Amino acid sequence: DTGVSQNPRHKITKRGQNVTFRCDPISEHNRLYWYRQTLGQGPEFLTYFQNEAQLEKSRLLSDRFSAERPKGSFSTLEIQRTEQGDSAMYLCASSLGTGLAGELFFGEGSRLTVL
Amino acid sequence: GQQVMQIPQYQHVQEGEDFTTYCNSSTTLSNIQWYKQRPGGHPVFLIQLVKSGEVKKQKRLTFQFGEAKKNSSLHITATQTTDVGTYFCAGPLTGANNLFFGTGTRLTVIP
Repeated sequence: DTGVSQNPRHKITKRGQNVTFRCDPISEHNRLYWYRQTLGQGPEFLTYFQNEAQLEKSRLLSDRFSAERPKGSFSTLEIQRTEQGDSAMYLCASSLGTGLAGELFFGEGSRLTVL
Repeated sequence: GQQVMQIPQYQHVQEGEDFTTYCNSSTTLSNIQWYKQRPGGHPVFLIQLVKSGEVKKQKRLTFQFGEAKKNSSLHITATQTTDVGTYFCAGPLTGANNLFFGTGTRLTVIP
């Protein structure tokens, strides 16, 4: 399978715990995006990498959220001190390009439930 | 801040009827993309429009980008049950290379 891979697919955690999600993009894609989606809503932009550089981060994103893409390949999204409001589907997407955002290829997502 | 709104939020149609969803941005968009998300699935790219007034067709789907590049529409002719899902438009924030998704239109097709 050469698509975008995310794991874990499901994570249940207690409030206050830290969680980490991993995304493996399509191998030749230089751009990687993280989105959050809650039921009935559109994907909400969190952050975006071009190669290993984090170029944009949502101003609405709490300091408890951090993302890395150390070698310009896979990426991790960590949420510290989780809150119930963090419960959502976390979507990763990748694309190829250097100019305007092109077609995004999404992974299946990682669903987080914070108890 | 910049907003991308879609109407309607929900649409129920009988199979065979047409369907249209509208996307409106508060600012001019350099381009607009459309995605479809099936229930329980992830967004899947449908098309990208770049030019003012552009119209593109994919079988029963017709996509338009407004002359002012602030609105777009997706029209489905003779809906089928396979068209069920939520349709999102998405455009980049001003000067950015990310994609800001609209609120989506959830389509239900009644057989």
